[in-house]
Amino acid sequence: GEDVEQSLFLSVREGDSSVINCTYTDSSSTYLYWYKQEPGAGLQLLTYIFSNMDMKQDQRLTVLLNKKDKHLSLRIADTQTGDSAIYFCAENRNDYKLSFGAGTTVTVRA
Amino acid sequence: SQTIHQWPATLVQPVGSPLSLECTVEGTSNPNLYWYRQAAGRGLQLLFYSVGIGQISSEVPQNLSASRPQDRQFILSSKKLLLSDSGFYLCAWSDPNEKLFFGSGTQLSVL
Repeated sequence: GEDVEQSLFLSVREGDSSVINCTYTDSSSTYLYWYKQEPGAGLQLLTYIFSNMDMKQDQRLTVLLNKKDKHLSLRIADTQTGDSAIYFCAENRNDYKLSFGAGTTVTVRA
Repeated sequence: SQTIHQWPATLVQPVGSPLSLECTVEGTSNPNLYWYRQAAGRGLQLLFYSVGIGQISSEVPQNLSASRPQDRQFILSSKKLLLSDSGFYLCAWSDPNEKLFFGSGTQLSVL
């Protein structure tokens, strides 16, 4: 199975907040990441958080990290149609490699 | 600024034919380079990574190989493609802070 787990689908109404959840397994990970993938495109780094932080906010994006539970979340405030995409959670494993979840497909409905 | 180029964007190949996908990075030196594959509806699987010229690590046994003939060039190859090699292939490089930056991907269909 995946080292990083996340729910596969999320449907949200335009203007509402989206929350995407992720659990990871490697407690020694120093960075955790959120990537966004639009159809037919590569992955775009949205934001990342150091493992010694609990929260990071960047405009409409808020990342929360619970190291005890190995839980990471991404909140998108005022979700727009352009936020429809697949969102990947990833952890680094201190060995040059990132481990990705299967991705959460976010659909924004009017 | 750093940029990553990956080509071609799409490729349709018959079973048994060879493959060569190329990736180049500009604006940085001695980057770590990666090849990932994304099967339809699934996450990313790391295929190969390289920390320097001629240094290739393979993550999973497979029909593919990788080479790094120059510092900022990473090539994914196969001598004979299988149907199961179909997928979306992504090249990436990482900065010293271990953030990964991806190319635009190659959609490979093996028929």
